[in-house]
Amino acid sequence: AQSVTQPDIHITVSEGASLELRCNYSYGATPYLFWYVQSPGQGLQLLLKYFSGDTLVQGIKGFEAEFKRSQSSFNLRKPSVHWSDAAEYFCAVGARTGGFKTIFGAGTRLFVKA
Amino acid sequence: NAGVTQTPKFQVLKTGQSMTLQCAQDMNHNSMYWYRQDPGMGLRLIYYSASEGTTDKGEVPNGYNVSRLNKREFSLRLESAAPSQTSVYFCASSADRVNGYTFGSGTRLTVV
Repeated sequence: AQSVTQPDIHITVSEGASLELRCNYSYGATPYLFWYVQSPGQGLQLLLKYFSGDTLVQGIKGFEAEFKRSQSSFNLRKPSVHWSDAAEYFCAVGARTGGFKTIFGAGTRLFVKA
Repeated sequence: NAGVTQTPKFQVLKTGQSMTLQCAQDMNHNSMYWYRQDPGMGLRLIYYSASEGTTDKGEVPNGYNVSRLNKREFSLRLESAAPSQTSVYFCASSADRVNGYTFGSGTRLTVV
């Protein structure tokens, strides 16, 4: 079955520290991969996406993610976290063919401490 | 540049009441989606419309109906609301598979 796993329900990091949020997926073939961010009371905003080519992709707000086919992973990273990065982050996968649907992980809530 | 607009933002219903959640996008996207978000469960797809004139069930369609009124509008109807439908509902749209979704700001629905 297709699934997306975000192992960490919540993570706390200090402002200025580095961040890595984990995402693993189970899919029949390499899907399109996405990371979204949701601030409290808001909808989701696309941070970055991978569909082909360079496995390290850059996104908005200084985020990047690395696709590792052998590990079925697409982890999100940021070198230095700002207090405004506190939010919930969702990994998502979408099919390249067939049904036009995206599957979302359960999310990781990021807390930033001063 | 409104993007995806959802109405209402908040709603309280009594069990058994009906209501329609409205969604409109102004980006000329072909595909539109309705998700529900519940704590610890991420987003679950209720229904989607790959293009104008088509709709399909998602992961959790029971108790809901949808209408793709035109290319811009995709509504979600609860015919007889139940407490289990208490959730935050998000509408989204996309132009294609590659570019991801644009989300609305959500409707927080409480069924008492």
